[in-house]
Amino acid sequence: DSGVTQTPKHLITATGQRVTLRCSPRSGDLSVYWYQQSLDQGLQFLIQYYNGEERAKGNILERFSAQQFPDLHSELNLSSLELGDSALYFCASSVGPLGSPLHFGNGTRLTVT
Amino acid sequence: AQSVTQLGSHVSVSEGALVLLRCNYSSSVPPYLFWYVQYPNQGLQLLLKYTTGATLVKGINGFEAEFKKSETSFHLTKPSAHMSDAAEYFCALSKTSYDKVIFGPGTSLSVIP
Repeated sequence: DSGVTQTPKHLITATGQRVTLRCSPRSGDLSVYWYQQSLDQGLQFLIQYYNGEERAKGNILERFSAQQFPDLHSELNLSSLELGDSALYFCASSVGPLGSPLHFGNGTRLTVT
Repeated sequence: AQSVTQLGSHVSVSEGALVLLRCNYSSSVPPYLFWYVQYPNQGLQLLLKYTTGATLVKGINGFEAEFKKSETSFHLTKPSAHMSDAAEYFCALSKTSYDKVIFGPGTSLSVIP
């Protein structure tokens, strides 16, 4: 058990809809990362937060947004969903500094129909 | 820009044989390097990491990796493959303590009895 909790585990929704994925980081970890994993794109970095502030941005679409709250949990909001957004979305957390490793949740599998 | 390449999207070895998974990186500064493993329907788990110091890094489950700056490589090895090693393996890097972690495309390892 990595200590990172992601909810829900599975999500099925229709095109055009909006969903929110939630992540609770490991106790003591200040950084939260979001990744998208799909068969054709591999593991793509979306965005990173450190202690409530956005730290780095990757290939995140404008339809997607995220935030990290004062209690350090994070939410990833996906809107105007398209079929191509179907993927496994992972949250990971780390202490932050000195090349600390990421601890991954088990992911949220999003299916857009 | 940083990047990670993994030679061979799929590697098959016999049980008891040497496992060699290749990783090459591109980075403008000495990076932090990681190997992660992903078992089916799970998140990624850290196998080992290189930050500074000794270039031969030992990880969990008998895996080790050697950092070779001159070759910009960080190949993962295990002397004797077990059936339980069948999984997806990802090489990853980050430039600095707080930088985003970039993952390679992954190598799927199959172990043949």
